[in-house]
Amino acid sequence: AQKVTQAQTEISVVEKEDVTLDCVYETRDTTYYLFWYKQPPSGELVFLIRRNSFDEQNEISGRYSWNFQKSTSSFNFTITASQVVDSAVYFCALSEAQGTYKYIFGTGTRLKVLA
Amino acid sequence: KAGVTQTPRYLIKTRGQQVTLSCSPISGHRSVSWYQQTPGQGLQFLFEYFSETQRNKGNFPGRFSGRQFSNSRSEMNVSTLELGDSALYLCASSREGQGREKLFFGSGTQLSVL
Repeated sequence: AQKVTQAQTEISVVEKEDVTLDCVYETRDTTYYLFWYKQPPSGELVFLIRRNSFDEQNEISGRYSWNFQKSTSSFNFTITASQVVDSAVYFCALSEAQGTYKYIFGTGTRLKVLA
Repeated sequence: KAGVTQTPRYLIKTRGQQVTLSCSPISGHRSVSWYQQTPGQGLQFLFEYFSETQRNKGNFPGRFSGRQFSNSRSEMNVSTLELGDSALYLCASSREGQGREKLFFGSGTQLSVL
């Protein structure tokens, strides 16, 4: 069965600090996709990043970076130089390459960035 | 390009009633999926529709149902409401509903059952 675990329920940091959100997943599929979404107070989940299972290259996009480790089934997300506007709930999600048409979400990590 | 639109934004119902929620996907998106979000359970998959056909259904009782129209708009219905149905119901759309695609979410319908 597929499962996504976000062990961090809530994190508080001071503005300009770097923060890493952890995500551990379980799947028996060999091809799958991992995502991070952000949910601000307005409620709408916003797509941040996507990673496929067959490319372990880690990337940086602006203040966002991610570390995908297939050996440990982890897909961690880092925000560099956090800002107050980064305060939101962050969800990690897993989907199969095709066939099930659904995403498995973690329970989310609430990030509070203090000024 | 308009985003995913969900109506209504808020709903208050009493136990035993039924409710219908509406979702208009992004133009050109044929896949619509629904998720229930609660503080205790997080985001739980309800069902997914593509070209008016339900392709997958989550582990919810039969009181939860949905449909999709030829213009890709979707509705979900919950009959005989229970207190535990209080949640934020999120609709998401994508072009084909394939796992590689990112989802575009609406702002959700906050349902309160009294």
